[in-house]
Amino acid sequence: DIQMTQSPSTLSASVGDRVTITCRASQSISTWVAWYQQKTGKAPKLLIYKASSLESGAPSRFSGSGSGTEFTLTISSLQPDDFATYYCQQYHSYSYTFGQGTKLEIE
Amino acid sequence: EVQLLESGGGLVQPGGSLRLSCVASGFTFGTYAMSWVRQAPGKGLEWVSAIRGSGTITFYTDSVKGRFIVSRDNSRSTVYLQMSDLRAEDTAVYYCAKDNNALDYWGQGTLVTVSS
Repeated sequence: DIQMTQSPSTLSASVGDRVTITCRASQSISTWVAWYQQKTGKAPKLLIYKASSLESGAPSRFSGSGSGTEFTLTISSLQPDDFATYYCQQYHSYSYTFGQGTKLEIE
Repeated sequence: EVQLLESGGGLVQPGGSLRLSCVASGFTFGTYAMSWVRQAPGKGLEWVSAIRGSGTITFYTDSVKGRFIVSRDNSRSTVYLQMSDLRAEDTAVYYCAKDNNALDYWGQGTLVTVSS
């Protein structure tokens, strides 16, 4: 199975900050990567698909980049609603796999 | 509006069985694969299983192969996860998701607790 290594596991930041979360795949997966946001007690929400495409309805401050084995999610200017846990996921092949998650906390 | 509604979770003893259901609406159900994803308490997301739109091709994560069976009834817009020989480590919230390669819509989840 393809492993997704996500970092950092926790990130402390302030409203207005620019933050970046990284995911590394254990083998090349082209751009078959998605990013999700999950708030406590809620289902995950899709933010980014195909590494850099913004899901309809997701705020434009979210962006994704990368291909092959290195991927990033960037939030350009943190808003109070953005404090949550973020996951990357590969869908290059089944079994799909997720990163371990990044908890974004208020500094 | 796409909606996914899971049901069937609950408390079950180790070695027991449970069937989860997920009723979909708001999209052409038979056109899309569907996935099940679980999340153990306080842990991350784990993909469990998927089934193609036709229902003829299925996929499983290694830890549930031989114990879980995914199926679907396109006439009822419903996907199922039959779980047997349940173990404590299967305790989790189980989500169904519309599998458009990325998982673009998710249900609210149903909690499965395996405990004696």
